[in-house]
Amino acid sequence: NAGVMQNPRHLVRRRGQEARLRCSPMKGHSHVYWYRQLPEEGLKFMVYLQKENIIDESGMPKERFSAEFPKEGPSILRIQQVVRGDSAAYFCASSLMTGAYEQYFGPGTRLTVT
Amino acid sequence: GQQVMQIPQYQHVQEGEDFTTYCNSSTTLSNIQWYKQRPGGHPVFLIQLVKSGEVKKQKRLTFQFGEAKKNSSLHITATQTTDVGTYFCEGYNFNKFYFGSGTKLNVKP
Repeated sequence: NAGVMQNPRHLVRRRGQEARLRCSPMKGHSHVYWYRQLPEEGLKFMVYLQKENIIDESGMPKERFSAEFPKEGPSILRIQQVVRGDSAAYFCASSLMTGAYEQYFGPGTRLTVT
Repeated sequence: GQQVMQIPQYQHVQEGEDFTTYCNSSTTLSNIQWYKQRPGGHPVFLIQLVKSGEVKKQKRLTFQFGEAKKNSSLHITATQTTDVGTYFCEGYNFNKFYFGSGTKLNVKP
């Protein structure tokens, strides 16, 4: 029973490039959450998605960031025109349902912007 | 807006000492989850508390949810070096999730 999968595990991008982070939730989970963690800091909620719907994106920067969770395939967090401040660990989590169900986290993608 | 504050930010203890971290929300929560993140790792779910005044135990760990469902605590009895990591609380209310900033626990052998 595979857990939450994220790829790539490490991603290096130059300033101005695009970063695409993928997350495959646990089997049977239809709720996906993205979090950002800066070095030595806590987790910051970014966005919560269900299949084909964005439920809450209140934590996501208004520009350059977007997320999707298509009917088929993984959830994608896309960062356009990356800047050095985007360097962080990006964690994806999934749950069976929302609210009363625990979230299972993936191993994270460590993004480094040079 | 709603916030979940977590204290302390850091805690250094000698192995065998107890440890407690606290989370406080500005408003009532539907439930609260606790996670542990080892250095270099990802958060791992520990427990969920739903009921007012709920207390749950996992071996040396005791979790409490306040009567007003606005605060919670995690207490570790007789810490061990394997307890090292950052402990996060996460409150949930109305489709929104609020992570505490975490308490980083260091245990000296």
